[in-house]
Order: sequence, then structure tokens, then C-alpha cells
Amino acid sequence: EAGVAQSPRYKIIEKRQSVAFWCNPISGHATLYWYQQILGQGPKLLIQFQNNGVVDDSQLPKDRFSAERLKGVDSTLKIQPAKLEDSAVYLCASSLDPGGWETQYFGPGTRLLVL
Amino acid sequence: AQTVTQSQPEMSVQEAETVTLSCTYDTSESNYYLFWYKQPPSRQMILVIRQEAYKQQNATENRFSVNFQKAAKSFSLKISDSQLGDTAMYFCAFMKAGSYQLTFGKGTKLSVIP
Repeated sequence: EAGVAQSPRYKIIEKRQSVAFWCNPISGHATLYWYQQILGQGPKLLIQFQNNGVVDDSQLPKDRFSAERLKGVDSTLKIQPAKLEDSAVYLCASSLDPGGWETQYFGPGTRLLVL
Repeated sequence: AQTVTQSQPEMSVQEAETVTLSCTYDTSESNYYLFWYKQPPSRQMILVIRQEAYKQQNATENRFSVNFQKAAKSFSLKISDSQLGDTAMYFCAFMKAGSYQLTFGKGTKLSVIP
């Protein structure tokens, strides 16, 4: 079974530029999560999708971050304009169904450096 | 709001020895789940072990076991017969039952020394 795929793996941009990350979840997984992991910290949930609808985006900085999951499969996360403090690893995860007991499977992440 | 504290930023253990990683959490919830995730240097995070709060029996997965003390709000991870492949960041995480949000601790960097 193929895992969660993410691209690009690394991205370096200058502040005020825009950037987009892509995630392809495990086939059949209805729930998709985007996390932000700042160096030295644990991941923080940014947004959660159930199929193509948003379940929770309470911690997404909506003035600069946006995310979509068209057709309930792939997802993109965009930052526009980027700030220095957005430097982090962005992790995508998916699970078969929402709910605490269902394991979340993580992708390798996209490491973003904002200069 | 829930908080998860991992008080050991770094630890090391000799190969084949046993090591215990600490985790405490703060919550007013009575029903929840606890997890340990492993993040190797390649950064793909994987689930190591999980525990339902209403179960008194400690979870075990091969060489990995937990010591769940609900009253003390403690959830430690014991790794037996440590192997070089166990070298990774280990994150303790909390999830309220019925919620979808994992709250992670800051992690413990474990190094297994040959």
C-alpha cells in the first residue's frame, strides 16, 4: 500500500513570496490533515478535511494560509505572502475515518525555509 | 485546552538496553486517547503505540510498552532491547474522544548507541 505522498520535499523562498504544497493521501482515506512543525516543537494541526469539506481550520492563519481538497482526494496548502515565521516542516496525514482511534498516517513532509 | 509535556529533550541508551521516555498531560476530560509517535531522521512520522484512557491495562506492541497512570496523568513509553533503528524523535500525543485533533508534546530525541 502506497503511503502519503507530498511534494516538494524542500522549498526555499523569500519573504512575501507565495508557495504551495501538495499532498496525495493513502487511497480510500477520507480524512486529510495538514500540520505545521516548527523546529524543536511537535506538529500543530492547521486544517482537517473530511472528504472535500473542512472539519476544523481553527488554527489556520486565514489571512495568509489557504487549503483546498478538490474531489476529496489530493490537497494543496498555500501560503501567500510568506513570513519568516512560516519556516517549518509541513506535514500531511490521512486516516480512513475521523475519530480518535483511527491511525493517522503521515507523509514525509515539506521543509520550508523563508529568507 | 489540553497540554502535553515531555520533560526529556534528549536521551541516549546503549543498544540492547531498556529506556523509558516520560510524558505527562493536563486535561479535564475523562475519555481520551494517548499516542506515542516516532519520527526518524527521514521525518516520516509513524505510530508506535496507543492507549484508550478507559482501559486500565497498559498497551504493548512487541518491544514497546506504556505505563499509563490515569490519576497521575502520566503516559511513559518503555523501549526494551533497544535497536539502532529506534534512533528518532519520539512524540507523545493526546486526543479527546470524539475530537480529531492531536495535541503533541515537544518531543524527546532518542539516540541508540552501538
